[in-house]
Amino acid sequence: GQQVMQIPQYQHVQEGEDFTTYCNSSTTLSNIQWYKQRPGGHPVFLIQLVKSGEVKKQKRLTFQFGEAKKNSSLHITATQTTDVGTYFCARNTGGFKTIFGAGTRLFVKA
Amino acid sequence: NAGVTQTPKFRVLKTGQSMTLLCAQDMNHEYMYWYRQDPGMGLRLIHYSVGEGTTAKGEVPDGYNVSRLKKQNFLLGLESAAPSQTSVYFCASSRESSGGNTGELFFGEGSRLTVL
Repeated sequence: GQQVMQIPQYQHVQEGEDFTTYCNSSTTLSNIQWYKQRPGGHPVFLIQLVKSGEVKKQKRLTFQFGEAKKNSSLHITATQTTDVGTYFCARNTGGFKTIFGAGTRLFVKA
Repeated sequence: NAGVTQTPKFRVLKTGQSMTLLCAQDMNHEYMYWYRQDPGMGLRLIHYSVGEGTTAKGEVPDGYNVSRLKKQNFLLGLESAAPSQTSVYFCASSRESSGGNTGELFFGEGSRLTVL
């Protein structure tokens, strides 16, 4: 129903490698938000995508929203140790609820 | 600006005890939320509020009650704590939406609750 599925659950990379996490929904999304949570910290908003096929970049991070507005991805180029943490996608639903995916935990080995 | 402040940050309870978590925001946000975070399960919405005096159920409301008597405060209550309620609790707030989207959520630092 309102769930968003994230894959993979976790990923280990060597510093300098790329990383991608995917967010999928069975229903059309009005928007998708991405958050990062550092170990021991709280989630911090990264970006919101609203338009079909939208692509936004923040330095080494690239966010995409699918043409059908049912999936999204976050790609990190040349990971650094500062990228470690858990990345969550989230959707707004009717009634102003924001529902989160289970997250992808990123480990970066120096 | 303090943003979103949660108290207490840590608490240990015995089964059956009651407690209240307090969330305060100084950004004049309309919407406020309580989430719980458990390993491997992401953030699950417990209750939320779209304005002073209003509350609504989220994904996992059972065993919790909330109140929003003042716009800046959102209280989460556990009337009779159970070990299954051991978790990290996050409060969040956001601006009033436009076009059906809520906008970014601002989170507090979390409250770690252990129920023995």
